Amino acid sequence: KQEVTQIPAALSVPEGENLVLNCSFTDSAIYNLQWFRQDPGKGLTSLLLIQSSQREQTSGRLNASLDKSSGRSTLYIAASQPGDSATYLCAVRGGSYIPTFGRGTSLIVHP
Amino acid sequence: EPEVTQTPSHQVTQMGQEVILRCVPISNHLYFYWYRQILGQKVEFLVSFYNNEISEKSEIFDDQFSVERPDGSNFTLKIRSTKLEDSAMYFCASSEGGQGWNEQFFGPGTRLTVL
Repeated sequence: KQEVTQIPAALSVPEGENLVLNCSFTDSAIYNLQWFRQDPGKGLTSLLLIQSSQREQTSGRLNASLDKSSGRSTLYIAASQPGDSATYLCAVRGGSYIPTFGRGTSLIVHP
Repeated sequence: EPEVTQTPSHQVTQMGQEVILRCVPISNHLYFYWYRQILGQKVEFLVSFYNNEISEKSEIFDDQFSVERPDGSNFTLKIRSTKLEDSAMYFCASSEGGQGWNEQFFGPGTRLTVL
């Protein structure tokens, strides 16, 4: 059974810092990994989707990497802003196409 | 930009009552999903739906739950006899294709409170 772990659980940083959020998974036989952002009491906003054959994806200040063999993905946020404050979730999709989510990293960027 | 919409945003019901949660997926999407998130817990998959049939379901999705696409635009989740432990945020999602490589787009959720 796939297990997804996200470290750290919470992070508080000053504006402008570059951040790395980590996601690890136990079963490397995946189709893809998707990073989401969730604002309090809201739905999930898709940030980046990395296919199993890809090593990284970039969108603006966000860069996600995938190392399937070691069961890890990182989400890099450059020059963080207060508007980046949210919970970041990763979801791994394996053979059944059913995604398994991590608990998320709660990020606060203070001015 | 097209988006998934859900109604109501918040539903309060008494234990044992039936509830129907509604979703309007993105119009050209063919695969639809329901997830739930109990407060403070992980997002959990409930069911996926394609071509008017359930394609996958989790062990959470028992006989109390059902899904339907009653017309060309709506996708519903029915809980027949709600329990206290059904209190959660319910998210609908849709994707163009059903293979693992298709990106899923989520709605804003319905907060269900069972009293």
